Amino acid sequence: DAGITQSPRYKITETGRQVTLMCHQTWSHSYMFWYRQDLGHGLRLIYYSAAADITDKGEVPDGYVVSRSKTENFPLTLESATRSQTSVYFCASSELGGGVYEQYFGPGTRLTVT
Amino acid sequence: LAKITQPISMDSYEGQEVNITCSHNNIATNDYITWYQQFPSQGPRFIIQGYKTKVTNEVASLFIPADRKSSTLSLPRVSLSDTAVYYCLVGGPNTDKLIFGTGTRLQVFP
Repeated sequence: DAGITQSPRYKITETGRQVTLMCHQTWSHSYMFWYRQDLGHGLRLIYYSAAADITDKGEVPDGYVVSRSKTENFPLTLESATRSQTSVYFCASSELGGGVYEQYFGPGTRLTVT
Repeated sequence: LAKITQPISMDSYEGQEVNITCSHNNIATNDYITWYQQFPSQGPRFIIQGYKTKVTNEVASLFIPADRKSSTLSLPRVSLSDTAVYYCLVGGPNTDKLIFGTGTRLQVFP
């Protein structure tokens, strides 16, 4: 089915562990995004990618690493998880970047860091 | 980055019109305003987008005054299924400048 998927949907990890959140889209959209959603902050952009092998920082990139070796995949890695990274993470894609083009969001990954 | 503010919550009854405001005092000349709807355990979904004046589609209208420092999402005759969180997004061609509002939780009662 066409769309954007995220895995896992739920994850519990311990402080200091590395964890990778996966994102896959089937539209061949150029742009992909990672957001975190926290109460009182709405959605904040962590990283985005304009194409394979091109990534850039968003508003809150510290503590996160991304890669994009293939157009359809955009994994987000927390190299050493901290409790402050407990959040719901959303991946999104769009044909082009910026705020002009509609973004299509995945269902989210709820991450708890203990 | 500039902060985008919205009312935290709103209540309404079925059949009423609901207007949700978004304040974006530092909007740039080439920024657009986009609204998204989010249901529990789902990702946000596009509702409507505009640059100035008024835009209408089959589900909502978006009003943007001449100074563009605010915008209002209007939902005509809401139903229970419109209960959700609504976010405004302000942004132009620079992806790293995308800013979502804090979100408004709309509760519709029968």
